[in-house]
Amino acid sequence: QSVLTQAPSASVTPGQRVTISCSGSDSNIGDNFVSWYQQLPGTAPKLLMYNNNQRHSGVPDRFVGSKSGSSASLAISGLQSEDEATYYCATWDDSLSGWMFGGGTKLTVL
Amino acid sequence: QVQLVESGGGVVQPGRSLRLSCAASGFTFSVYGMHWVRQAPGKGPEWVATISSDGSSKHYVDSLEGRLTISRDNAKDTMHLQMDSLRVEDTAVYYCAKDANKFGMGGIDSWGQGSMVIVSS
Repeated sequence: QSVLTQAPSASVTPGQRVTISCSGSDSNIGDNFVSWYQQLPGTAPKLLMYNNNQRHSGVPDRFVGSKSGSSASLAISGLQSEDEATYYCATWDDSLSGWMFGGGTKLTVL
Repeated sequence: QVQLVESGGGVVQPGRSLRLSCAASGFTFSVYGMHWVRQAPGKGPEWVATISSDGSSKHYVDSLEGRLTISRDNAKDTMHLQMDSLRVEDTAVYYCAKDANKFGMGGIDSWGQGSMVIVSS
């Protein structure tokens, strides 16, 4: 079981907006920056967002990251079929002295 | 652009050792912290180990500490992960990853394509 909690799945229709949440604690999200990764089947994860809300090079502004307290969110608007992937949050945990990943949210674009 | 190429994976028997390597190019390797992250089949990524840019600071996931040694050779732009006493549950794709800063605390900004390790008798 991950230290960072994500809903296992989400389904949306093309053009809609979805918010993927990542819940942690004071020792991880509450005290450190959050990154978000997108993973397509059979490929390595790719960085989407870093430092809570900074888009990585080439990431469209349809992707928006935010953090409040010990939770973080990734909002994706104008959903497209190419956005169908699994999304992971990640951050450092001060208590465990290690990097943590969320369990992942598999996004289906119907 | 950043390129990270893992090698050394394969099929290994339980209890044996394996050494993974990562060849880096496209950036100044000696300036950045580096990570190993693994992903078991059907599971999410699991952080394994981090090494700072100069190799002076190393962190390991608690569950694997004692069986792992992370190292780097800045003269050769390479990083290694020595894994001992391998178990069936160590079966995973092992990714080499680059950090955004020298301490390995900035977050992963680039990933290799991964090297599959299968532990089986």
